[in-house]
Amino acid sequence: DAGVIQSPRHEVTEMGQEVTLRCKPISGHNSLFWYRQTMMRGLELLIYFNNNVPIDDSGMPEDRFSAKMPNASFSTLKIQPSEPRDSAVYFCASSSDRINQPQHFGDGTRLSIL
Amino acid sequence: EDKVVQSPLSLVVHEGDTVTLNCSYEVTNFRSLLWYKQEKKAPTFLFMLTSSGIEKKSGRLSSILDKKELSSILNITATQTGDSAIYLCAVELTGGGNKLTFGTGTQLKVEL
Repeated sequence: DAGVIQSPRHEVTEMGQEVTLRCKPISGHNSLFWYRQTMMRGLELLIYFNNNVPIDDSGMPEDRFSAKMPNASFSTLKIQPSEPRDSAVYFCASSSDRINQPQHFGDGTRLSIL
Repeated sequence: EDKVVQSPLSLVVHEGDTVTLNCSYEVTNFRSLLWYKQEKKAPTFLFMLTSSGIEKKSGRLSSILDKKELSSILNITATQTGDSAIYLCAVELTGGGNKLTFGTGTQLKVEL
């Protein structure tokens, strides 16, 4: 079975540019999570969706960050405008919302803002 | 504020050694504790623990939860270089919709 698929794998862009990260969750999973990982702060939850609806976006750092899930098989995380401090690895994860089901992670997008 | 703390932060051992990684938590409404292994890319799922005192085992890895002490340990016996990774502990809360709070991880390096 295909796992969580993220694209692009790497993104290097200049500050001020718009960045869009993409995620395809595992088929049949109805919860989707966006995380950011840095050396300083570890793995932080940014936002999560259940049945395509945003449930908790309290981890989104500021208004420059937005996320959408237009359907059950696709989500985007957008940063506009990007800043150097946004440089990090961004992971998407999905899970079934049945009890005791773990989250499964994609390979991440390594984002560098120059 | 919910908190998950792992120790040690990093560890270097020789092949064949046994290691114990620790995770403690201070959270409201605990549901489960999860362990993940992260090599170069995605964290991969190892164990989910919900009940105190019941050991979960997979090959040379095992883990147990102590709800009284609000902690868990992950043991790796007869370590191999392929065990080198960051080991992440996360706690899931009830009513949180599978939302996880992660510790900062333990970086394990296994040398020949």
